[in-house]
Amino acid sequence: SAVISQKPSRDICQRGTSLTIQCQVDSQVTMMFWYRQQPGQSLTLIATANQGSEATYESGFVIDKFPISRPNLTFSTLTVSNMSPEDSSIYLCSVSRDREFNDNEQFFGPGTRLTVL
Amino acid sequence: DAKTTQPPSMDCAEGRAANLPCNHSTISGNEYVYWYRQIHSQGPQYIIHGLKNNETNEMASLIITEDRKSSTLILPHATLRDTAVYYCIVPLSSGSARQLTFGSGTQLTVLP
Repeated sequence: SAVISQKPSRDICQRGTSLTIQCQVDSQVTMMFWYRQQPGQSLTLIATANQGSEATYESGFVIDKFPISRPNLTFSTLTVSNMSPEDSSIYLCSVSRDREFNDNEQFFGPGTRLTVL
Repeated sequence: DAKTTQPPSMDCAEGRAANLPCNHSTISGNEYVYWYRQIHSQGPQYIIHGLKNNETNEMASLIITEDRKSSTLILPHATLRDTAVYYCIVPLSSGSARQLTFGSGTQLTVLP
């Protein structure tokens, strides 16, 4: 298994500001993902963080709003830009081992609970 | 991802087996069934996955019907700590093989 930590664990931010969330893994992993979980809802994939290249975003999510960095195989950041109250959610990082093509076993971080006032 | 259907909620008595059903009637021959759970205020946790044979690990058993159109996750001796939302997921078998689409899941409440 992989141990994943996220910083901050929670934050309260003002409208119009930006917050960068960090995800650190205790071992090198090929795949890293960022999800959003709005209050009372299920998880929605935001993007796949690619090491050494631009992230791959899902429909409805854009780089200007959610810029992602992945400088190496153990670390990634997600920035929530120009925040509004609608961005209040839990943001989760997950990783997957590059074991085999059909390996969808992902390990999730504890999440970052963001409240935008 | 192939569409999955789960009951929104279930109760189970502590110490009894919890049987969580999932329908995935549009599953194709090479698509796996994955189960995750999310305990309140935590990130999702992988439980088990299977293709067509029944699978068992230290957490649970997965029973897949012969036609693969449905499956059941079994927690043999449920405890209070098993109270969580359980997600049945059938990821795409190609391209975005590592992307998971989470539906609404089943809220399992284990009662003392």
